[in-house]
Amino acid sequence: AQKVTQAQTEISVVEKEDVTLDCVYETRDTTYYLFWYKQPPSGELVFLIRRNSFDEQNEISGRYSWNFQKSTSSFNFTITASQVVDSAVYFCALSELIQGAQKLVFGQGTRLTINP
Amino acid sequence: EAGVTQFPSHSVIEKGQTVTLRCDPISGHDNLYWYRRVMGKEIKFLLHFVKESKQDESGMPNNRFLAERTGGTYSTLKVQPAELEDSGVYFCASSQGGLAGVSYEQYFGPGTRLTVT
Repeated sequence: AQKVTQAQTEISVVEKEDVTLDCVYETRDTTYYLFWYKQPPSGELVFLIRRNSFDEQNEISGRYSWNFQKSTSSFNFTITASQVVDSAVYFCALSELIQGAQKLVFGQGTRLTINP
Repeated sequence: EAGVTQFPSHSVIEKGQTVTLRCDPISGHDNLYWYRRVMGKEIKFLLHFVKESKQDESGMPNNRFLAERTGGTYSTLKVQPAELEDSGVYFCASSQGGLAGVSYEQYFGPGTRLTVT
């Protein structure tokens, strides 16, 4: 069965610090997708990134970067020079393509608090 | 372009009553999903529509839950009769269709917070 583990329940850092959110996944499929979503206090889930299992290149988008390592089944997310607006709950998710189904399996989420 | 919308944003009902949640996906998105997060737990998949057809309803907890997608546009999720354990946040998401073997990003609505007392 598919599983996503975000071992860090809560992280609190001071503004401008770098912070890494861990995500470890389990799947038997060779083709899968990984996602990160942000849930700010307003409640909606905001899409951040999608990565397929054949693309292990790291991705950088502004202050955000993602490190995908198939060897350790991890897809970690780093925020550089954190800001108060980064405070949110962050979810890592896995999608398998079984008979056309594309359901997301979510981790438990990591609540990130950036203190001024 | 409008995002995924959900109505109502909050609903408080008594055990045994019926509630209907509505989701309007992004225009043109064939795929529509329902998820639920109960207190303290992870977000769990309920079901997936492709246009008006149910592609996967493996996550529906029991037959008190009924989802429909009229004409492949908006969707409703009815809970009848509601039980205390149904309390949580119900999210709807949509994604474009297209290539087989590709999982497109899902865009989520703000959720409906359901409280059953």
